[in-house]
Amino acid sequence: SQQGEEDPQALSIQEGENATMNCSYKTSINNLQWYRQNSGRGLVHLILIRSNEREKHSGRLRVTLDTSKKSSSLLITASRAADTASYFCATDAGGGADGLTFGKGTHLIIQP
Amino acid sequence: NAGVTQTPKFQVLKTGQSMTLQCAQDMNHNSMYWYRQDPGMGLRLIYYSASEGTTDKGEVPNGYNVSRLNKREFSLRLESAAPSQTSVYFCASKGGPLNNEQFFGPGTRLTVL
Repeated sequence: SQQGEEDPQALSIQEGENATMNCSYKTSINNLQWYRQNSGRGLVHLILIRSNEREKHSGRLRVTLDTSKKSSSLLITASRAADTASYFCATDAGGGADGLTFGKGTHLIIQP
Repeated sequence: NAGVTQTPKFQVLKTGQSMTLQCAQDMNHNSMYWYRQDPGMGLRLIYYSASEGTTDKGEVPNGYNVSRLNKREFSLRLESAAPSQTSVYFCASKGGPLNNEQFFGPGTRLTVL
């Protein structure tokens, strides 16, 4: 079953604007990760936030985590055409060797 | 470093045929994973291997077998392919327990007719 559910499913914005994607999940987690997938390619890790963290930054990315609401958001500031991709949240329940549980993704289109 | 490599990139099978998808990583990672991605869906875990010599079922293991040949290689076998196995298959690897990031291969696009 899908653990994470991203919202919205699709998002189209103008270059330079900020993009916000949300993720909800169902069970307790050790950490939550965000991945990017360009069309026809594999996934690339963007950022990881642990269950005891509330906010994390990496370059133009800002991730928040609210474990009481079982939700996370990914903010991309000052978007660029190269940010066009699908973005997936993935939860790691145990933090060990078990696999990740992915959501269905948000398809982001940046209009030039 | 090539990272995670997968072969083949594309494959078309007829129902009932068998094939093995190959995956190798050169990052000395302990854990390796096989996922499938269907249209409009996220990835679903098929099997994983926490370390050389061990394998475990994931969310959707039916119709698949795996082999962790050595620390570098983790193969996925379809013994009797079915149209429901038409999908894109991704292999991934992860380092030690303190490093939770997974590194993904480019994927194998499989069509079963």
